[in-house]
Amino acid sequence: KAGVTQTPRYLIKTRGQQVTLSCSPISGHRSVSWYQQTPGQGLQFLFEYFSETQRNKGNFPGRFSGRQFSNSRSEMNVSTLELGDSALYLCASSPRGQGAARELFFGEGSRLTVL
Amino acid sequence: GQQLNQSPQSMFIQEGEDVSMNCTSSSIFNTWLWYKQDPGEGPVLLIALYKAGELTSNGRLTAQFGITRKDSFLNISASIPSDVGIYFCAGLNYGGSQGNLIFGKGTKLSVKP
Repeated sequence: KAGVTQTPRYLIKTRGQQVTLSCSPISGHRSVSWYQQTPGQGLQFLFEYFSETQRNKGNFPGRFSGRQFSNSRSEMNVSTLELGDSALYLCASSPRGQGAARELFFGEGSRLTVL
Repeated sequence: GQQLNQSPQSMFIQEGEDVSMNCTSSSIFNTWLWYKQDPGEGPVLLIALYKAGELTSNGRLTAQFGITRKDSFLNISASIPSDVGIYFCAGLNYGGSQGNLIFGKGTKLSVKP
């Protein structure tokens, strides 16, 4: 069974640009979450999608957005990039979408560097 | 954002030694997850705990869900060089969804052969 796939793995952008990251969850998983990981802040929750609907959103500015497609694949977008957006962006899928979360399976992440 | 208190922050041990790390919180959780992350990779789920008092093993790893629901422990027995990495705990606030999953800041483990 293929794991969570994230693309691209690495990318470099400049301030003011925008970026789109993609995530394909494990087959059969309908819940997808996004996290930002930085050395200083650790793993911070961005948003969660289930059945194409955003179920939860973390404390990030509106420049961070996401969506989920009917095949459960998800994308996140960051507009007007800032230096502080440099981070590892992790996508995670879960087999459960209702009630309490169970196992969360992470992809390898997309490493974004903003210059 | 809110985070768990995970300790120790880092450990440097000799191969063959046992390792213990823990997470504590002022909030009650109904799920505890333990992850390991290697450099440049995403976290990999090691153990999941769903009941207070539960003790679960995965090979040389053993984790426990604290009776108070506010803490969890991970032990690694007879450490080997490939145990090197960062270990994260994660707790789920009671009644919440994945959006309420809170992560500790990690324990960086180094193993000397």
